[in-house]
Amino acid sequence: GAVVSQHPSRVICKSGTSVKIECRSLDFQATTMFWYRQFPKQSLMLMATSNEGSKATYEQGVEKDKFLINHASLTLSTLTVTSAHPEDSSFYICSARTGVYSNQPQHFGDGTRLSIL
Amino acid sequence: SQQGEEDPQALSIQEGENATMNCSYKTSINNLQWYRQNSGRGLVHLILIRSNEREKHSGRLRVTLDTSKKSSSLLITASRAADTASYFCATDATGGGGADGLTFGKGTHLIIQP
Repeated sequence: GAVVSQHPSRVICKSGTSVKIECRSLDFQATTMFWYRQFPKQSLMLMATSNEGSKATYEQGVEKDKFLINHASLTLSTLTVTSAHPEDSSFYICSARTGVYSNQPQHFGDGTRLSIL
Repeated sequence: SQQGEEDPQALSIQEGENATMNCSYKTSINNLQWYRQNSGRGLVHLILIRSNEREKHSGRLRVTLDTSKKSSSLLITASRAADTASYFCATDATGGGGADGLTFGKGTHLIIQP
């Protein structure tokens, strides 16, 4: 149980392109989803918290107009990297939690490797 | 924001040996979790230990938590080649309303040599 599907797994595109990444909870309803970014051989950095039906909460230093998050249903959150540039190349990982409180584990997708040429 | 620190950064041991990884953090927490990440993949949740717990077991995993020292350890007993991965500790800070994401440590890259 508690499977999170992330799509696509890999994207290679030209600079200036907007890229949408989907995160789906397949067998549970996710009140809260999280988006993380991971640079090579580094740890995960939280970008934003996505709550169903409300605006996402972004971490300090993350541009909300650059990284658009939509959490329209209890099973789907999307991250759109707008007008992507080479510095946006990274590994993006989403996670989902069944409840609001942190005493429940987060379940992670397999990540999306984004490469901007 | 707090930042967990794992040590060692890399650990290479022989199959069958025990592997111990440590994690330190800076602020008060509700709970601490350990995750595993295989290369280029997402994270797999291993174990969660609450701030009022001192030790927890799950199969070959043993986690300890010392809130006075703000540290935790993950012990993997009788290691297997399939345990090769990066291991991260993650914490959530108290006072965050429970809705905050996790703060991850830098990770320990574990290599099990057959």
